[in-house]
Amino acid sequence: QQQVKQSPQSLIVQKGGISIINCAYENTAFDYFPWYQQFPGKGPALLIAIRPDVSEKKEGRFTISFNKSAKQFSLHIMDSQPGDSATYFCAATTSSNTGKLIFGQGTTLQVKP
Amino acid sequence: NAGVMQNPRHLVRRRGQEARLRCSPMKGHSHVYWYRQLPEEGLKFMVYLQKENIIDESGMPKERFSAEFPKEGPSILRIQQVVRGDSAAYFCASSPVASPKEGYTFGSGTRLTVV
Repeated sequence: QQQVKQSPQSLIVQKGGISIINCAYENTAFDYFPWYQQFPGKGPALLIAIRPDVSEKKEGRFTISFNKSAKQFSLHIMDSQPGDSATYFCAATTSSNTGKLIFGQGTTLQVKP
Repeated sequence: NAGVMQNPRHLVRRRGQEARLRCSPMKGHSHVYWYRQLPEEGLKFMVYLQKENIIDESGMPKERFSAEFPKEGPSILRIQQVVRGDSAAYFCASSPVASPKEGYTFGSGTRLTVV
């Protein structure tokens, strides 16, 4: 019940295309859903996050879509750029989880020029 | 603000040796979280500490692993008698509050290789 399942494992997109990464969860107590971006040799960095009381959040080219009834959320990267090539992780937590994050398995994105 | 500092960046240990990984949180952060990332996998929570206290160690293996966050100095993750399966990247995160919603920042990790 504490799992977050992420797909696809890897993704190749042409420059200017849309990258879509999906995550699903079981625990209905989760109330915070961040996405992290990780470059090789670096730690994860917060990209964008959403709470379940909204269905969509947009920051620049990055959008989270959230479907509470389906217990799914996704990251959309519009106008994907080669600099977006990285590993992306979805995560989830509850307010009572004392800050512990449950991560998905990760998606390696390659944006071809 | 220097960010979360982890050292060493790379650590090679022979089987049976001890590994000590250090994490200096950001200034003003009193909450530290350790995660382990195995190759091709996501990060798995290990332990959450506040100064001088272990709050949640539900993700720590029962044997050989320990963690501390003393009143002075960095947080330490200690792995005794390392085995090949301990090879992984170990990340710590620090936060000003017990929540990832404000200022939760990861370090660049320590990559442990057991030979």
